Amino acid sequence: QKEVEQNSGPLSVPEGAIASLNCTYSDRGSQSFFWYRQYSGKSPELIMSIYSNGDKEDGRFTAQLNKASQYVSLLIRDSQPSDSATYLCAVNLGIFRGSTLGRLYFGRGTQLTVWP
Amino acid sequence: GAGVSQSPSNKVTEKGKDVELRCDPISGHTALYWYRQRLGQGLEFLIYFQGNSAPDKSGLPSDRFSAERTGESVSTLTIQRTQQEDSAVYLCASSLAIDQPQHFGDGTRLSIL
Repeated sequence: QKEVEQNSGPLSVPEGAIASLNCTYSDRGSQSFFWYRQYSGKSPELIMSIYSNGDKEDGRFTAQLNKASQYVSLLIRDSQPSDSATYLCAVNLGIFRGSTLGRLYFGRGTQLTVWP
Repeated sequence: GAGVSQSPSNKVTEKGKDVELRCDPISGHTALYWYRQRLGQGLEFLIYFQGNSAPDKSGLPSDRFSAERTGESVSTLTIQRTQQEDSAVYLCASSLAIDQPQHFGDGTRLSIL
């Protein structure tokens, strides 16, 4: 079982729409959750971090965390063509994993295209 | 402030040569990570350092790969006897602590001829 899974995409939405990106994780002890954006040929860039259940909003981005369902999502409102990129979900698998403490497990990413 | 700095940005070398990649983390960041990303693929964890603790080397793909870090400063990733399958972008990241967000450098694009 993969540690972190993302909807494989690609996802294509029109400009101005809401893009919804989903991620599930395997370890109930997970404590920290992150969304990264990666443009083609560039390195990942942190967009959001979330640590507790509920929603966290930052501008057009909202991260949602449900630890009971082991699910984290990213909503992008009023999507723009400049949002076109691969979005990576990353999970720190908690403080009880011994030698893996500190590792971030990344999903394979969801490619988003926003068309004008 | 300065971000994570990696050098060189590009490296082309012949199969069988050794290469050394450098990462300078954000000042004050105690944790440092190395990843590999092959073309069109996801991030592959290699190794991480946290302060003076023993590094987590569980992601290193073979004994040709090694990494060092002195204190909380620069790290070097060394690949000996390079093979064509080592061609990839090698990314370094650092974070304030192990449960904090990681910030990535621009990477080193390694090409093995």
